[in-house]
Amino acid sequence: AQSVTQLGSHVSVSEGALVLLRCNYSSSVPPYLFWYVQYPNQGLQLLLKYTTGATLVKGINGFEAEFKKSETSFHLTKPSAHMSDAAEYFCAVSLYGGYNKLIFGAGTRLAVHP
Amino acid sequence: GAVVSQHPSWVICKSGTSVKIECRSLDFQATTMFWYRQFPKQSLMLMATSNEGSKATYEQGVEKDKFLINHASLTLSTLTVTSAHPEDSSFYICSARQRQESSYEQYFGPGTRLTVT
Repeated sequence: AQSVTQLGSHVSVSEGALVLLRCNYSSSVPPYLFWYVQYPNQGLQLLLKYTTGATLVKGINGFEAEFKKSETSFHLTKPSAHMSDAAEYFCAVSLYGGYNKLIFGAGTRLAVHP
Repeated sequence: GAVVSQHPSWVICKSGTSVKIECRSLDFQATTMFWYRQFPKQSLMLMATSNEGSKATYEQGVEKDKFLINHASLTLSTLTVTSAHPEDSSFYICSARQRQESSYEQYFGPGTRLTVT
């Protein structure tokens, strides 16, 4: 069965510092992986996705993630945090590119301090 | 492109009444729509998968008679919470998948906040 583990329910960084949000997955077949961001009382916005090909994926707002099969990880990074990055971030995994359901991690709340 | 809307964005209803939430794909045809609920400070939990023209597939533990899902067209799915109780208060989010077989993304609506008093 597929599952997603996000290490750290809360992450706090200073403005301008590196953002690192961790995601590990479990899947018996090659997964499709996603990172979503959710602002308060809003739906989810896709940050980036990995399907096949290049393992380093660049997304919106300066975020990127690297698929590491050997580590079953898909960590999200951003070189320099902005105050506007404060939000809830969800990692998700799906078989067959989302044709089937998405399995979400528990989420990581990112706080950015001045 | 690929915009999904939900209506209403928030609703307050009395215990025992029913409430309907609409999910629309505005600029694409969605063969499959998904309904999630999210409790405060928690992740999204899939409730059901809705395919156009067929019955919805409910996740284990979700009462299909309480959460009625209809996907009557390629752009509209509805979730009706019947005989709502305070424990049904939650944030309900829908997503939609495009009709093309090669498409794999889900596009999410902005969510509907339901409060049952």
